[in-house]
Amino acid sequence: EAGVVQSPRYKIIEKKQPVAFWCNPISGHNTLYWYLQNLGQGPELLIRYENEEAVDDSQLPKDRFSAERLKGVDSTLKIQPAELGDSAVYLCASSLGRQQQETQYFGPGTRLLVL
Amino acid sequence: AQSVTQLGSHVSVSEGALVLLRCNYSSSVPPYLFWYVQYPNQGLQLLLKYTSAATLVKGINGFEAEFKKSETSFHLTKPSAHMSDAAEYFCAVTGYGGSQGNLIFGKGTKLSVKP
Repeated sequence: EAGVVQSPRYKIIEKKQPVAFWCNPISGHNTLYWYLQNLGQGPELLIRYENEEAVDDSQLPKDRFSAERLKGVDSTLKIQPAELGDSAVYLCASSLGRQQQETQYFGPGTRLLVL
Repeated sequence: AQSVTQLGSHVSVSEGALVLLRCNYSSSVPPYLFWYVQYPNQGLQLLLKYTSAATLVKGINGFEAEFKKSETSFHLTKPSAHMSDAAEYFCAVTGYGGSQGNLIFGKGTKLSVKP
């Protein structure tokens, strides 16, 4: 079974430029998460989708970040414009549902460097 | 609010020695607790999880953790460290209510294994 797929793996951009990350979850997983991981820190949730609905986006900086999950499968996270402080790893995860004991499966992440 | 604290950002052990990584949690409801491992430039992989079925939880790669409610702890142990165990380890607790299913991570503990 294929795991969570993310692309690109690495991205270097200049500040004020836009950038987008793509995630394809494990087949059949209804719940999809985007996490931000700063250097030396644990991941922090940005947004959670139940199928195509964003049910928790309270931590998403909506002035510059946006996300979508069309058709309830793959998802795109966008930053426009990027700032130096956005340099981090962006992790995507998926799970069958949103029960508390559900295991979340993580992709390899996209490492973003903003110059 | 749910939270976890990992004591020690960096732990170093000799190959063959006991591994002990500490995690304390704060939760106003019975918690679900997880340990994830992250190898360099990779996503997070589940080691084990506590879902209230048994207080001693066995995971992959010889790791286990014991849930102690009286101490609000969920420490990760392995009797004999192997070089391949060198990685970063994250303890996490799930949210509840509107954040049900979201993982709240600690800051991580980097494990080094000396030959």
